[in-house]
Amino acid sequence: KAGVTQTPRYLIKTRGQQVTLSCSPISGHRSVSWYQQTPGQGLQFLFEYFSETQRNKGNFPGRFSGRQFSNSRSEMNVSTLELGDSALYLCASSLDRGAGELFFGEGSRLTVL
Amino acid sequence: AQRVTQPEKLLSVFKGAPVELKCNYSYSGSPELFWYVQYSRQRLQLLLRHISRESIKGFTADLNKGETSFHLKKPFAQEEDSAMYYCALRSQGGSEKLVFGKGTKLTVNP
Repeated sequence: KAGVTQTPRYLIKTRGQQVTLSCSPISGHRSVSWYQQTPGQGLQFLFEYFSETQRNKGNFPGRFSGRQFSNSRSEMNVSTLELGDSALYLCASSLDRGAGELFFGEGSRLTVL
Repeated sequence: AQRVTQPEKLLSVFKGAPVELKCNYSYSGSPELFWYVQYSRQRLQLLLRHISRESIKGFTADLNKGETSFHLKKPFAQEEDSAMYYCALRSQGGSEKLVFGKGTKLTVNP
């Protein structure tokens, strides 16, 4: 089985722009969650999707949003980028909500200039 | 508030020595605790979870609710154990929201 696939792997944006990141979960996995990883704050939960519905949201401003499609693929969007949004964005999938084991992608590394 | 603390950013031991990576948590309910590991150039992956009570790659971890700890232990460290280790807590059953510690980088020297 292919693992969790995230695209793009690397991207550079400027302040004020917006970005969309994509995540394809492992085939058959229905739950997708997103995490932001920075050197200062570590891994922080962004949101969780199941059955095309956001089930949980972390403590991030409204500029961070996401969605899940009927095939379980997910996208997250960050609008009006700030320098502090520079981070590794990790997507994780699991078979079902609360299944326990998260399978992580390699991440999308966003640099905001 | 839920919090996971890993007091050591770096931990260095010699091959064959015992290793203990510390994890303390702050949560008033009944948490689920996990250890995730990231080897060099690999993805973050689950090592073990407290409810399964397994030993994975020789590692064990016991949940101590009195001390609110979930330390990871291995009696004889191997060079291939060198990696970044993250302790994580899930407070809501049926959710994928994990609260992670900031990680401990373990180096096992030959």
